[in-house]
Amino acid sequence: GENVEQHPSTLSVQEGDSAVIKCTYSDSASNYFPWYKQELGKRPQLIIDIRSNVGEKKDQRIAVTLNKTAKHFSLHITETQPEDSAVYFCAASTSGTYKYIFGTGTRLKVLA
Amino acid sequence: SQTIHQWPATLVQPVGSPLSLECTVEGTSNPNLYWYRQAAGRGLQLLFYSVGIGQISSEVPQNLSASRPQDRQFILSSKKLLLSDSGFYLCAWTSTDTQYFGPGTRLTVL
Repeated sequence: GENVEQHPSTLSVQEGDSAVIKCTYSDSASNYFPWYKQELGKRPQLIIDIRSNVGEKKDQRIAVTLNKTAKHFSLHITETQPEDSAVYFCAASTSGTYKYIFGTGTRLKVLA
Repeated sequence: SQTIHQWPATLVQPVGSPLSLECTVEGTSNPNLYWYRQAAGRGLQLLFYSVGIGQISSEVPQNLSASRPQDRQFILSSKKLLLSDSGFYLCAWTSTDTQYFGPGTRLTVL
């Protein structure tokens, strides 16, 4: 069946450094790729998303890139801060369907 | 604007007891609705999804069931809880492409 692989499972960076999380999807029909941040004990919250007709999207310190040919998409966080520490989930979805496949999550720790 | 409610927020239940968790969505119509379970420190396990009233699809066979009696109401139930049912239960909805999560119910089965 369809799946989304996410790497790494844990990531520790020094405050101010950049963090990159990568996902690979299998369903070529996927055309919508959101990223969620989940703080401890809270619900996952959407932080950025990208559609298949766009290669890159940026929102302040956060950016997402998409390579449709390779079926890869990545989350980039620059100038990391302690409040960026959380679990991040990627997902792949196909518009107009119920399908919403999540990655297994990345625990990001930003060390002060 | 759309909002999603879940209750209760926390629940402690003995093994073998029944369960009913409720999710309601406001501000949208005919959403796709989802139930996820998240074990401590783990990812999101899709349990059920619904594309309309009375339409329920199960992703993982288990002792849980779901119902959608109204367009914006989604209920997760069990007749007899197991220890392994402990976790963080999240309801979510999708109206266009983006999925939004409810605040969750933390269930502890003792």
